[in-house]
Amino acid sequence: SQQGEEDPQALSIQEGENATMNCSYKTSINNLQWYRQNSGRGLVHLILIRSNEREKHSGRLRVTLDTSKKSSSLLITASRAADTASYFCATADSWGKFQFGAGTQVVVTP
Amino acid sequence: DGGITQSPKYLFRKEGQNVTLSCEQNLNHDAMYWYRQDPGQGLRLIYYSQIVNDFQKGDIAEGYSVSREKKESFPLTVTSAQKNPTAFYLCASSIRLVYNEQFFGPGTRLTVL
Repeated sequence: SQQGEEDPQALSIQEGENATMNCSYKTSINNLQWYRQNSGRGLVHLILIRSNEREKHSGRLRVTLDTSKKSSSLLITASRAADTASYFCATADSWGKFQFGAGTQVVVTP
Repeated sequence: DGGITQSPKYLFRKEGQNVTLSCEQNLNHDAMYWYRQDPGQGLRLIYYSQIVNDFQKGDIAEGYSVSREKKESFPLTVTSAQKNPTAFYLCASSIRLVYNEQFFGPGTRLTVL
């Protein structure tokens, strides 16, 4: 079974709009990471947030983590066509086990 | 160029044959991972290794085997016991287990005919 579950499964927006996706997980984590995957390619790491952190920023990305609700969100501001990709959250527990969610497919139209 | 490489990019095999997928990294990372991705789905962990000569089963290890004889190499063998081997296979590495981001290779698409 997959630890992280992303919501929504798919998201279609226009350039300039913000995109928000959520990730829920079930068990205790050491950290939560977000990755991006362009079609048929490997994943690219976007941001890592540790269990004792609540918010992190990187460029146009903003990630929040609520460990009491076991959830995280990824916000992409001022989206561009190049942001079109699948976005995955991954959780790491203290024993080194990584688990990925099923992903959110984001399509940004010009 | 530092990075993680996988070969080949596409691989075709007949049913019943074992096949080995290559994964090499020159990032000096201790930990390495193998994932399987099916269409429209997330990644599922097959095996991971935190150090040379040590590896652990992930969520879907049945029908797969690995070795970690060198720090930079973590080959995955898909055996004939794997009932549905056609998938996209991704290898990753990280500095250490748990605390760090993972760097991914470009993937190998395996098709079993």
